[in-house]
Amino acid sequence: DTEVTQTPKHLVMGMTNKKSLKCEQHMGHRAMYWYKQKAKKPPELMFVYSYEKLSINESVPSRFSPECPNSSLLNLHLHALQPEDSALYLCASSQDVDREINIQYFGAGTRLSVL
Amino acid sequence: AQSVTQLGSHVSVSEGALVLLRCNYSSSVPPYLFWYVQYPNQGLQLLLKYTTGATLVKGINGFEAEFKKSETSFHLTKPSAHMSDAAEYFCAVSDRKTGRRALTFGSGTRLQVQP
Repeated sequence: DTEVTQTPKHLVMGMTNKKSLKCEQHMGHRAMYWYKQKAKKPPELMFVYSYEKLSINESVPSRFSPECPNSSLLNLHLHALQPEDSALYLCASSQDVDREINIQYFGAGTRLSVL
Repeated sequence: AQSVTQLGSHVSVSEGALVLLRCNYSSSVPPYLFWYVQYPNQGLQLLLKYTTGATLVKGINGFEAEFKKSETSFHLTKPSAHMSDAAEYFCAVSDRKTGRRALTFGSGTRLQVQP
């Protein structure tokens, strides 16, 4: 099973709302990632968690707040977003961020629209 | 910093024709190389990867890619295109250095398959 599950699939929120994106994997992976993908662009790395600790933050604005409650779950808390934050948010996981060959498996994404 | 360049943002082929999608990387040390495919409104699926060993790599759905160190290239090919191959294709690299194995993606190539 190489499945990464993301919920919800679609989300519409206002600029004053607080919402959360959820990502789950049951492959025993210890590295999890958040990417942001704008239309017709490649995914851009936002955060990397390794063994439930934040190891990379790509200078993401504080209105995005990641959380890794356990090794299977990754959340992205959203607050006071801007319309330009509208994008497809992809979650990925891999066995270990320091593993020699780090294959990442992606979820289907959450398509976020900020009004 | 390593980077990856995909030549041609759009490629159009006829069904049954050869598919060639180009990818070049820039890195003093050859990185790990990947091709991912993204179908509309979906996440990314790993097509194939090059780590070490044989330079011709076979992947899923009849795709293959050849690592050429002298040309710093990792072009993706398929002998005969099928309508179901229409999608966005991303070449990606991963650093061989520990602690930084997140993926860096190329800008993507949209493949259209004409009947």
